[in-house]
Amino acid sequence: EDKVVQSPLSLVVHEGDTVTLNCSYEVTNFRSLLWYKQEKKAPTFLFMLTSSGIEKKSGRLSSILDKKELSSILNITATQTGDSAIYLCAVEDNAGNMLTFGGGTRLMVKP
Amino acid sequence: DGGITQSPKYLFRKEGQNVTLSCEQNLNHDAMYWYRQDPGQGLRLIYYSQIVNDFQKGDIAEGYSVSREKKESFPLTVTSAQKNPTAFYLCASSRTGWPGELFFGEGSRLTVL
Repeated sequence: EDKVVQSPLSLVVHEGDTVTLNCSYEVTNFRSLLWYKQEKKAPTFLFMLTSSGIEKKSGRLSSILDKKELSSILNITATQTGDSAIYLCAVEDNAGNMLTFGGGTRLMVKP
Repeated sequence: DGGITQSPKYLFRKEGQNVTLSCEQNLNHDAMYWYRQDPGQGLRLIYYSQIVNDFQKGDIAEGYSVSREKKESFPLTVTSAQKNPTAFYLCASSRTGWPGELFFGEGSRLTVL
């Protein structure tokens, strides 16, 4: 059974801080790892990392996949209050039918 | 604008009643999914459908049923057999061949009284 574990469970920082969120996984026949941001209700897609693309960056957010350690990190630099959300990590296997999600990290950025 | 619409946003149900949650998409996506979200547990897959008139059970299908009669619609019924139905339910869709990039609706929060 595929398994995804995220840490920390929650995090409180101040604006301008840099944060690192962690995701570790156990999956048979890994295909991709994905990050989503859930601000209020609907999660929105951030990044997809595969064997052929182990690092992605978009503005202040970046993510790296470590296939040897079966893990990924999501970095957010110069945090803003708008970054406050639950960040979800998910993995997809080669069957490609579904995602397995981790429990999420709740980030709160204080002004 | 293209997207996924879930209704109702909030729903209260008495024990022993079945309830149906609606999910409609106009993204022309073939695949649709239902997830359940409980605090601290991330998203768990209930059912998914990759094509009309076909669907498969996810990890926690017991006590739920679905149908996929139209490409645009994937309603979820929470039956009285579901022992702990109070939760936040999210519907999602994806393009064929890209199950990873999911597009989510705004969710339906079900409370059983």
